[in-house]
Amino acid sequence: QVQLVESGGGLVKPGGSLRLSCAASGFTFSDYYMSWIRQAPGKGLEWVSYISSSGNSIYYADSVKGRFTISRDNAKNSLYLQMNSLRAEDTAMYYCATDPETPYGMDVWGQGTTVTVSS
Amino acid sequence: DIQMTQSPSSLSASVGDRVTITCQASQDISNYLNWYQQKPGKAPNLVIYDASNLETGVPSRFSGSGSGTDFTFTISSLQPEDIATYYCQQYDNLPRAFGGGTKVEIK
Repeated sequence: QVQLVESGGGLVKPGGSLRLSCAASGFTFSDYYMSWIRQAPGKGLEWVSYISSSGNSIYYADSVKGRFTISRDNAKNSLYLQMNSLRAEDTAMYYCATDPETPYGMDVWGQGTTVTVSS
Repeated sequence: DIQMTQSPSSLSASVGDRVTITCQASQDISNYLNWYQQKPGKAPNLVIYDASNLETGVPSRFSGSGSGTDFTFTISSLQPEDIATYYCQQYDNLPRAFGGGTKVEIK
């Protein structure tokens, strides 16, 4: 069935790094623009990063620019988020999702993976 | 960057009441607006796309309207299963932006 499954979250110390992965199945991943969205505990949704279907166009929220890197491997139907120089304020549930700009695309979200930045 | 201002931040209504949430964009986004429903511990679920189109499988008591900068989301008759937080999101421009959310509770 159509799904996105995130992995790679965990507990990391401030200044540390994590790499999140998102595995897609049940749809043609290479056709879709993708985004990472996060939600801090008890807070609202915050868009983090976007990548076009080919990977040629990439955008970041100001809060993560220069620290996070989004990438994708269409051959492996996978999306990634490399997170460096992590801060306490990066603590959140991280969701991968199809981007609404995808022409005639479905709206699909993963179940999320939790990132906790704490000493 | 486009800012999305959503109101109210929370509301309490009775079963069967009409519930209205508004979302205002800081600049014209045409109809590039989604509304999501999020229940505790779950990922968001698309309810309305392109400002006014009901997502497949979503009950018809949900509706959306608006274009440009001002948008409205309505539940015509609130049901217990509608208890959730609702978010608007613009996708006219990057960076994307969500509204702050509206928590809907039963009175």
